[in-house]
Amino acid sequence: LAKTTQPISMDSYEGQEVNITCSHNNIATNDYITWYQQFPSQGPRFIIQGYKTKVTNEVASLFIPADRKSSTLSLPRVSLSDTAVYYCLVAPSPYGGSQGNLIFGKGTKLSVKP
Amino acid sequence: EAQVTQNPRYLITVTGKKLTVTCSQNMNHEYMSWYRQDPGLGLRQIYYSMNVEVTDKGDVPEGYKVSRKEKRNFPLILESPSPNQTSLYFCASSLGAGGFSYEQYFGPGTRLTVT
Repeated sequence: LAKTTQPISMDSYEGQEVNITCSHNNIATNDYITWYQQFPSQGPRFIIQGYKTKVTNEVASLFIPADRKSSTLSLPRVSLSDTAVYYCLVAPSPYGGSQGNLIFGKGTKLSVKP
Repeated sequence: EAQVTQNPRYLITVTGKKLTVTCSQNMNHEYMSWYRQDPGLGLRQIYYSMNVEVTDKGDVPEGYKVSRKEKRNFPLILESPSPNQTSLYFCASSLGAGGFSYEQYFGPGTRLTVT
């Protein structure tokens, strides 16, 4: 399984765009990249998933360069409620979509200030 | 409402006293998993199950047992709890094979203290 590296923490201000980068140098051809958000004492919540290029949904964008050795979660115009820990997860998706052992890592603690 | 439930939410117990934390999901998901979360260590997977009667070890399975006799339930068993198993535990489920998504739904967590 690909190991991921993220910054331990980041600070931002309300209204700014925040980009959190995850490094996964040994990502495999059939690995997918998924990001989760976790608030204190709550279970993580799925944000976005991608394989290559760019994926966008109503809350975030995920940018994946051609070599797929890193990915960037982009949160537009953050608010105080975006203060949370963000996890990058890389896991294989062979034919049939089986999941198996998933490694979350330590995540990035984002603090949004007024 | 689609959800993953865990019971109990809080538990204080003593070393060596067997306990079970229940997990149930109502989404007909095939994949279920248990994680523990400790300060500074992030989320670590204990066991996972691809489907009924199919379970496998995650990263930190020592001291834990699981069973998957029904699709909706995935209990976590601590046969002889020790203080180093004091942690916040999360159960999660997702579609699994064929779903082609890593969107896992997490339960509310169980805070376990072993004295």
